[in-house]
Amino acid sequence: GQQLNQSPQSMFIQEGEDVSMNCTSSSIFNTWLWYKQDPGEGPVLLIALYKAGELTSNGRLTAQFGITRKDSFLNISASIPSDVGIYFCAATPGGTSYGKLTFGQGTILTVHP
Amino acid sequence: DTAVSQTPKYLVTQMGNDKSIKCEQNLGHDTMYWYKQDSKKFLKIMFSYNNKELIINETVPNRFSPKSPDKAHLNLHINSLELGDSAVYFCASSPSHRGNYGYTFGSGTRLTVV
Repeated sequence: GQQLNQSPQSMFIQEGEDVSMNCTSSSIFNTWLWYKQDPGEGPVLLIALYKAGELTSNGRLTAQFGITRKDSFLNISASIPSDVGIYFCAATPGGTSYGKLTFGQGTILTVHP
Repeated sequence: DTAVSQTPKYLVTQMGNDKSIKCEQNLGHDTMYWYKQDSKKFLKIMFSYNNKELIINETVPNRFSPKSPDKAHLNLHINSLELGDSAVYFCASSPSHRGNYGYTFGSGTRLTVV
């Protein structure tokens, strides 16, 4: 089936550092999404990307939809302790996929004060 | 006012029992989903309902039966629970099953089968 390969699996950084994570696939997707999951909670949508090549920001977060439609990255600038959590990429082919999202394996982010 | 609410948040039960998890959304969305998150945090879709109609049914054992009495509710009933069913189950909703909308997730139900 369709798979998203997300890397890195985990990151340990100092407060103030920038973070970059990415997601690749062998299949084409028409929407890419980035979610964050805090402990004991469900994933929360951070950024949605709908067009190949699109670069979108949400505060200190920036994400891009790869031009080949097979990848996406998420950058976090000037990390702070509350950025700690699991970050997931997700994607859908759209069309008749009936809203079915495929998720990456997640990136566990730890920020040291 | 919680957008997607699931009950219970924690469920500990013995093998062989039958249990249900309930989900309600007050966002006016047409589509609801059940996802399973395993111990490695991998999220996989199980079911999706659009306006009470089943539209996605992934390869899930028959012991799992979703029910949607109306478009704001999607419940999950599990028969003859097995150890491998232990996981966190997330309900989610989206405005539509067509188009590419991000979901709103509930806070999850942690099921432990002993």
